Order: sequence, then structure tokens, then C-alpha cells
Amino acid sequence: DVKVTQSSRYLVKRTGEKVFLECVQDMDHENMFWYRQDPGLGLRLIYFSYDVKMKEKGDIPEGYSVSREKKERFSLILESASTNQTSMYLCATTLQGVFSYEQYFGPGTRLTVT
Amino acid sequence: AQSVTQLGSHVSVSEGALVLLRCNYSSSVPPYLFWYVQYPNQGLQLLLKYTTGATLVKGINGFEAEFKKSETSFHLTKPSAHMSDAAEYFCAVSLMNTGFQKLVFGTGTRLLVSP
Repeated sequence: DVKVTQSSRYLVKRTGEKVFLECVQDMDHENMFWYRQDPGLGLRLIYFSYDVKMKEKGDIPEGYSVSREKKERFSLILESASTNQTSMYLCATTLQGVFSYEQYFGPGTRLTVT
Repeated sequence: AQSVTQLGSHVSVSEGALVLLRCNYSSSVPPYLFWYVQYPNQGLQLLLKYTTGATLVKGINGFEAEFKKSETSFHLTKPSAHMSDAAEYFCAVSLMNTGFQKLVFGTGTRLLVSP
């Protein structure tokens, strides 16, 4: 079974703080993704990575950066947290190049920025 | 460009009733389609997927979906709802125009099941 874990289930941060969200997977998947989920908007892709040190912007990358130093670990960084980044953040992984393959999701981190 | 539309942000059914959650997609090429379920305070879990072959796809927990190319639909059904089916459901299509396996999600449908 694929296991995708996220460093925190709930996080409360103050405006302006630097925030790190970490995702770890144990299935040797090449592709990793960060989404944010907001009511009525579904899941929106922030960034994804297809290999170590490789990254691509998703649909809403502004205010975020990512880091992938090891294959199993993908970090999302909020350089200076703002209240409009209060959201549920979901990490996902999948095999590279197999379009019929599903994505596996972590449990999510609910971030509140005050 | 591929996109997904889920009709109805909320659907309410009684326990034992038929569940029907609607999903329409747009895609210029034969799509790969997915249904995911999200229980409260959890991540997304795959219910079922359509790739090729049989257009009626069976998934976990008694759910199934039918791919109808002529209607560009992939509606999710379950003959008899159970209280444990209360969750949010997301339809997704796999983007085929890039070198990467990316999904485009619908906005989700919350299923409410009453006793």
C-alpha cells in the first residue's frame, strides 16, 4: 500500500511567518504534487515535481515555493504567510508517465493563518 | 483544454435510496476519468477510474460509474445509500496534453445521507 504522510494535520501560524509543510511517500513515485482545497473551488494545483530538484508551477503558485531534495520528500513553503492562505493543503504522488495511474493522497494539513 | 463540471455542490438522499452524482467533462482526446471520495478531515481516496475498455466501471463500497462518450459524462451511482457514504466526492480528468500526469478536479459534491 502506498503511504503518503504529511508533517502536521493542523497548523496555526501568524501573518508574515515562514511556513513549511512536508510530505513524505514510501512508494518510490517520481511525481509529487501540492494542492490547496477550498470550499466550492475543489482542488487547485500549486506546484508539482517530477524528479529530485525538478519542479513546475501549477495553477496558483503565487506566494508559495517548493523543495525536493530527496525523491521521497516534497516540501511546500509559504515564504510569508497571509490570511488568504488559510486552507487545506493536500500532497499527492503518482508514477511518472502513466496517465491512467491514479494519484495517492496524504491526509492533508489544515492551515490557519491569523 | 480539459475540464470537469460537477452538477450540484450538495446532494441529499435518504438511507437506502439511489445515489447519483453527476460529472461532465470536456476533453479533446479520449479521457482517463477518476472519482475520488473524501471523508471528513481526511485526504482523497480513489473510488474508481475509467481508462479503456468496459464503459461501466465498478469501484469500492458498491459504487459504479458509466463512461458515456456521446454525453461526455461519467456519473457516479450507488443503488442503496448507507450512512457511511456521507462524504465529499470529486470527479477528475487526466490532462493528456503535457508530459506529466496531472489531474483536473471538479469542484466537488457533498453527499448527505439522512436516516
